[in-house]
Amino acid sequence: DIQMTQSPSTLSASVGDRVTFTCRASQSISRWVAWYQQRPGKAPELLIYKASSLQRGVPSRFSGRGSGTEFTLTISSLQPEDFATYYCQYYNTYSQTFGQGTKVELK
Amino acid sequence: EEQLVESGGGLVQPGGSLRLSCSASGFTFSAFWMTWVRQAPGQGLEWVANINQDGSETHYLDSVKGRLTISRDNGRNSLYLQINSLRAEDTAVYFCARLGVIVVAPTGLDQWGQGTLVTVSS
Repeated sequence: DIQMTQSPSTLSASVGDRVTFTCRASQSISRWVAWYQQRPGKAPELLIYKASSLQRGVPSRFSGRGSGTEFTLTISSLQPEDFATYYCQYYNTYSQTFGQGTKVELK
Repeated sequence: EEQLVESGGGLVQPGGSLRLSCSASGFTFSAFWMTWVRQAPGQGLEWVANINQDGSETHYLDSVKGRLTISRDNGRNSLYLQINSLRAEDTAVYFCARLGVIVVAPTGLDQWGQGTLVTVSS
């Protein structure tokens, strides 16, 4: 089974900061990675799919990169509404695996 | 408006059974793979099961095989999850979600319901 490992588990940042999260796959998964944002008490929301494609309606300050086993999500300028937990996910039609999440909190 | 609405959660005793439902509206339900994802209290997301467009193909997390059954009724625009032999570790919010697609390539879970809470306790 493919494992997804996110780092860091918690990130302290300020409004306006540029932040980057990392997700590593236990084996090569091409570009089959999605990123989600989850606010407390809410369902996750898709931000990025196929490693770097921005989901429609998602602000352009979010960007994704990577292929193979290493992937990153970057927020270019952190906004107040971005304080949330972020999950990476390996996905295809027969299996999915989430990372353990990175919580972004106010410094 | 595209929408997914789960129902059927509640408090269940260990060993009991429960059937969760997810009602879809605002899109062509029969055109999409569908997924159940769960989240234990204070924990991360865990994929549970997938089902293809006509229900002929299903896939499960290894640890739930044999106890959970995903199914769908395209005539009712509904997705289901039957959970048997419930255990304390099944306590979670259960989300249904749509696996999006562009042309033929999947795009991740692009539509989610609000979730339904299942609590397993005596």
